[in-house]
Amino acid sequence: RKEVEQDPGPFNVPEGATVAFNCTYSNSASQSFFWYRQDCRKEPKLLMSVYSSGNEDGRFTAQLNRASQYISLLIRDSKLSDSATYLCVVSGSARQLTFGSGTQLTVLP
Amino acid sequence: EAQVTQNPRYLITVTGKKLTVTCSQNMNHEYMSWYRQDPGLGLRQIYYSMNVEVTDKGDVPEGYKVSRKEKRNFPLILESPSPNQTSLYFCASTPQGEGDTQYFGPGTRLTVL
Repeated sequence: RKEVEQDPGPFNVPEGATVAFNCTYSNSASQSFFWYRQDCRKEPKLLMSVYSSGNEDGRFTAQLNRASQYISLLIRDSKLSDSATYLCVVSGSARQLTFGSGTQLTVLP
Repeated sequence: EAQVTQNPRYLITVTGKKLTVTCSQNMNHEYMSWYRQDPGLGLRQIYYSMNVEVTDKGDVPEGYKVSRKEKRNFPLILESPSPNQTSLYFCASTPQGEGDTQYFGPGTRLTVL
């Protein structure tokens, strides 16, 4: 079983749609959680950290459920520029990050 | 400009010919790491360094070496590259503190024939 699992997609949605990505992780001792965005084989960039209480950044909302070891990302009012691969990332001790293999999103005009 | 740089960006080489991919950061970060990214497998950590002269293996260290003689530089060395090391490589750095953002370099696309 992979340590961090994501639905690879692809998700093809129309502009303005709401789309949700899910991620599960296997290590219950994981301490920090993130969503990264990666455009077409470029470097990953931090989209947002994920906190236990849930957090929002504009059109993006992240949720964490430690009991179920589950992380989610919700994108509202999708834009063409949101097209990318979204990586779920989990950190344990010593800042070692474990990456999911990513969920590909294409927002269609 | 705060950044992580990698060189070369693209490299095609042959089996067994030693190569080094350089990584440099200008943000005075303590922590640096190397990842490889392969289709369907995501990013996997090769080696990391908590500080100067402190390095440790990640998830897939076989066939790679690293060194950290200076804070800003963290080169990745392939002593005898093989075709299964064909991949996209990313260097990253992180400031002190758990859970801080990892700043990634632009990537090095390596092909070993």
